[in-house]
Parts: sequence; structure tokens; C-alpha cells
Amino acid sequence: QVTLTESGPALVKPTQTLTLTCTFSGFSLSSSGMCVTWVRQPPGKALEYLARIDWDGDKYYSTSLKTRLAISKAASKNEVVLTMTNMDPADTGTYFCARVRPAAGTRYYYMDVWGTGTTVTVSS
Amino acid sequence: DTQMTQSPSSLSASVGDRVTITCRASQSISTYLNWYQQKPGKAPKVLIYGASNLLSGVPSRFSGSGSGTEFTLTISSLQPEDFATYYCQQSYSSPCTFGPGTNLEIK
Repeated sequence: QVTLTESGPALVKPTQTLTLTCTFSGFSLSSSGMCVTWVRQPPGKALEYLARIDWDGDKYYSTSLKTRLAISKAASKNEVVLTMTNMDPADTGTYFCARVRPAAGTRYYYMDVWGTGTTVTVSS
Repeated sequence: DTQMTQSPSSLSASVGDRVTITCRASQSISTYLNWYQQKPGKAPKVLIYGASNLLSGVPSRFSGSGSGTEFTLTISSLQPEDFATYYCQQSYSSPCTFGPGTNLEIK
């Protein structure tokens, strides 16, 4: 069974750096085609893609946020870490991690298993 | 980046209705288009990948079509559990952007 669980601080102050961890089980991020992505959702608003890390180490970022984001995988652990610098109240929301995988025999990638999300509030 | 738009932004319908949601991409994405359903307080759930391929376990009343820049999600006969927000997402190029969502409400 594939599971992903997000963890991190519930409250951060403006200008601080947020560090979120996605702990996963049931699959290997070293397996060809496997990826982990971060998506966030401000209260009452739409989903927003943040970043993705692939089985081969490739990393992809939201264009508008790429100067503030860093995604990495912890060596020898089933963890993916996302850091976001210079936090602002506009960054308040729920942060999800999800597995991304291709449909068998295709290059169609989709987010098939999601964590339940972790809520982050940015306030002084 | 590829920008995604959806119409309508909200939709009121009744159980048994047939509804269609449209998603448009700012440039051609071939058929690299996914649809997700999200209920309040829950994580999204993928319904369709590759524009028209239903995930295992998704009811057959859901269908997707389109290619290039225009796509549709159709629910043939709405059930009470279908009232939710629907998002399209392109997987053609990074960053893999989402549409703004369509909120499907009970009339």
C-alpha cells in the first residue's frame, strides 16, 4: 500500500523559512518513472503546483516561486523535503505531497496517491 | 508556462443531469491532460489521465475527451457523491500547471 504523509510546522512567521517533509512508503523513489511532487492550496482557492523531484534526481519548480523553493530527497530515507524561503501571509494554506507516476507503457504522468495535507499559517 | 483555464468556474446541477466541464490550455499539450476531483477538506483524487483514460475504479459515468488545447470532462448522470470541485492539470511540460477549478454544486 502506497502512503504519503506531510509534516512540518503549523505556524511560521513572515520572512522565515518553511521546511516540510513528505514521508512515503510502498514505493521506491529510485524506481524508474517514480516522482514526488508538492502542491499547495490557499484557503478556498485552487491547487497550485510547487515542485517535483524525479527518480533520476531531476527537479522542477513553479516558475513564479522557483527562487524561493528547493526540493530534495533524503539519502537512504523515504523522505522528500521542500523548503520555501521568505514566507509571507499569502503562503498560508494546505500543502500536499503526492506520488507522480506514468501510466503503464505510456508517458502520461499523473498524481495517483496523495497525502492528507498539512496546514501552514504564516502570521506574526 | 502553459496556462490552464476552465469553464464554467461554478455549475449548479441536479442528480441525474449530464454535465460538461471545459478546460483549455494556452498552447498545445497533445493529450497530456489529467482530471482530478476534490471534496472539501480532502486531497484531490485523479479520475482521468491522458485526456480520456479512466483510472481503475472510477465510475464509467465519467468521461474525458479532447486534444491540443481544448478538453472536456463529462459526467453522464450526476450522482450525489459527484458534487465536488474538478481540476484539470497538464502534464505535457514542467511546471505541470492546474486549472482554476470548477465547483459543481447541487441545484
